[in-house]
Amino acid sequence: DGGITQSPKYLFRKEGQNVTLSCEQNLNHDAMYWYRQDPGQGLRLIYYSQIVNDFQKGDIAEGYSVSREKKESFPLTVTSAQKNPTAFYLCASNGQNSPLHFGNGTRLTVT
Amino acid sequence: EDQVTQSPEALRLQEGESSSLNCSYTVSGLRGLFWYRQDPGKGPEFLFTLYSAGEEKEKERLKATLTKKESFLHITAPKPEDSATYLCAVRTISGSARQLTFGSGTQLTVLP
Repeated sequence: DGGITQSPKYLFRKEGQNVTLSCEQNLNHDAMYWYRQDPGQGLRLIYYSQIVNDFQKGDIAEGYSVSREKKESFPLTVTSAQKNPTAFYLCASNGQNSPLHFGNGTRLTVT
Repeated sequence: EDQVTQSPEALRLQEGESSSLNCSYTVSGLRGLFWYRQDPGKGPEFLFTLYSAGEEKEKERLKATLTKKESFLHITAPKPEDSATYLCAVRTISGSARQLTFGSGTQLTVLP
């Protein structure tokens, strides 16, 4: 079955440590996205990529970094510069003129 | 700035009690309105896309409608398994071709 796989499902880190969230898709989609979801707020776009080796900042990119070396993969690094990293992170992808497909998220807790 | 507002924030219904969720938007130019369902601890699941005022889409107990200012998600005779958070999102001409602006969602609970 085609889909988006995010790993791990839960992640715990100490403050000051960088952490990388994995996102892999086998839908052959060109575009991939990272969103952050906090209670009571809409999904907010962190970064997106419309083609391999290219990506753009979203609305809340500060403290995050990404890479897009392969079409299937779009890992997100949460750096120590992110002031409030505890959140639910969602990866998504889509093809031309198609709705977003989402993974099942990674819940990151930083203490 | 594009804005999407969903109401109510939370809704509790008895099984079989029909109701509607609202998504109002203020955008520079609508290129599509999307409804998603999200279960706790999961990613959103796509339900519908609407493109123009007057358009309607149906799926089982759900029907989505669109006007120039808002969209409604009507739930007819809901069942407990319809309990979830329903998200609305818009794609506009001011954003990237594939970017969406999301509302904060309506948390629906259907009691047996």
